[in-house]
Amino acid sequence: QSVLTQPPSASGTPGQRVTISCSGSSSNIGSNAVNWYQQLPGTAPKLLIYSNNQRPSGVPDRFSGSKSGTSASLAISGLQSEDEADYYCAAWDDSLNGWVFGGGTKLTVL
Amino acid sequence: EVQLVESGGGLVQPGGSLRLSCAASGFTFSTYWMSWVRQAPGKGLEWVANIKQDGSEKYYVDSVKGRFIISRDNAKNSLYLQMNSLRAEDTAVYYCARVQQWLVSEYYHYGMDVWGQGTTVTVSS
Repeated sequence: QSVLTQPPSASGTPGQRVTISCSGSSSNIGSNAVNWYQQLPGTAPKLLIYSNNQRPSGVPDRFSGSKSGTSASLAISGLQSEDEADYYCAAWDDSLNGWVFGGGTKLTVL
Repeated sequence: EVQLVESGGGLVQPGGSLRLSCAASGFTFSTYWMSWVRQAPGKGLEWVANIKQDGSEKYYVDSVKGRFIISRDNAKNSLYLQMNSLRAEDTAVYYCARVQQWLVSEYYHYGMDVWGQGTTVTVSS
């Protein structure tokens, strides 16, 4: 069971907007920044959002992140077929002295 | 090009040992914390261990404490994971990752920004 809680699946049609939630606690999301990773099938994870809402160079502005209290969200607008992937949230946990991840959300583009 | 390349994975019997390596290039390796993260078949990501730039601080997930040792050789731009007393539940793809520091609104934030392609460890008799 993962320390951070994500829905196991999400879906949308091309062009739609979808959001993926990530719930934690005061020792992780509540006191540290949240990062999001995209993992395409058979590949290594890729940093998608850092510091709650910052996009690395090269990540389309269709992807956005937000954080409030002990929860965070990833939003994908203008959904495209190539967005079909697993998405993970992550944060440092002050109690565990390590990184914690969500269980991952499998996004399906219908 | 910033790159991390893992090696050393393979099939090992329960109770056995394996040493993973991660070769870094394209950045000043000695100035970054580094991490190992694993992913069991069909499962999510799990952080395994962290090591400070000079190797003076190391952190581990509880499930590997006392069995795994993270280390680094800055002269060789390399990160290592010595895995002992391996169990079936250690079967996973192991990724090395660079820990980046960002200054955002006067606060430092951290995260793993560069990942290797992974190396597969299978523990089975």
